[in-house]
Amino acid sequence: GAGVSQSPSNKVTEKGKDVELRCDPISGHTALYWYRQSLGQGLEFLIYFQGNSAPDKSGLPSDRFSAERTGGSVSTLTIQRTQQEDSAVYLCASSPQDLSGNTIYFGEGSWLTVV
Amino acid sequence: GDSVTQMEGPVTLSEEAFLTINCTYTATGYPSLFWYVQYPGEGLQLLLKATKADDKGSNKGFEATYRKETTSFHLEKGSVQVSDSAVYFCALKHASDNNDMRFGAGTRLTVKP
Repeated sequence: GAGVSQSPSNKVTEKGKDVELRCDPISGHTALYWYRQSLGQGLEFLIYFQGNSAPDKSGLPSDRFSAERTGGSVSTLTIQRTQQEDSAVYLCASSPQDLSGNTIYFGEGSWLTVV
Repeated sequence: GDSVTQMEGPVTLSEEAFLTINCTYTATGYPSLFWYVQYPGEGLQLLLKATKADDKGSNKGFEATYRKETTSFHLEKGSVQVSDSAVYFCALKHASDNNDMRFGAGTRLTVKP
């Protein structure tokens, strides 16, 4: 597609359930990022992929969070045993592998509400 | 580590007022600097960028100049409109190291008619 696509756009889940959030990056973009934006907060870096590997997982808040990327394209962020504090907008972004300033392009986010 | 510090909001201005949102950074080397904008209910969009010292990024009447001596990238607009109401994020990224992009906390701007 023309831009970064995320699904679902909205998800309400019960505390304790697992959720999966999907990101389709812009075709050809080698780098893929996940960020979290809590209500009234800035952007929190979660994880970054270069191809299928994740050189930097330092931002994942706990071992309930995991992410994978297959085929150098689609990525899935999984949150196990969700907690209310996981409620946030989860933003995916992708970037081409070039040295011209490395602009990154954001999806519209997946709004997660844990009740 | 690298970081970005933004002027705290919220900022409320009248239409046609002058806007400045301050942004300073801490980084090794020479990062690229960005301003992103998030309109209500939408995702982040790139507003402007600058990739080296003294570069000026501009778009939609907004400007920001990469000042290495003061490690700043302040966003300015001479005359804001109601449609500029949004959250503005300053960010930095190293072009030679495809690592995470560091964002400021965001500054919410409300422009009143």
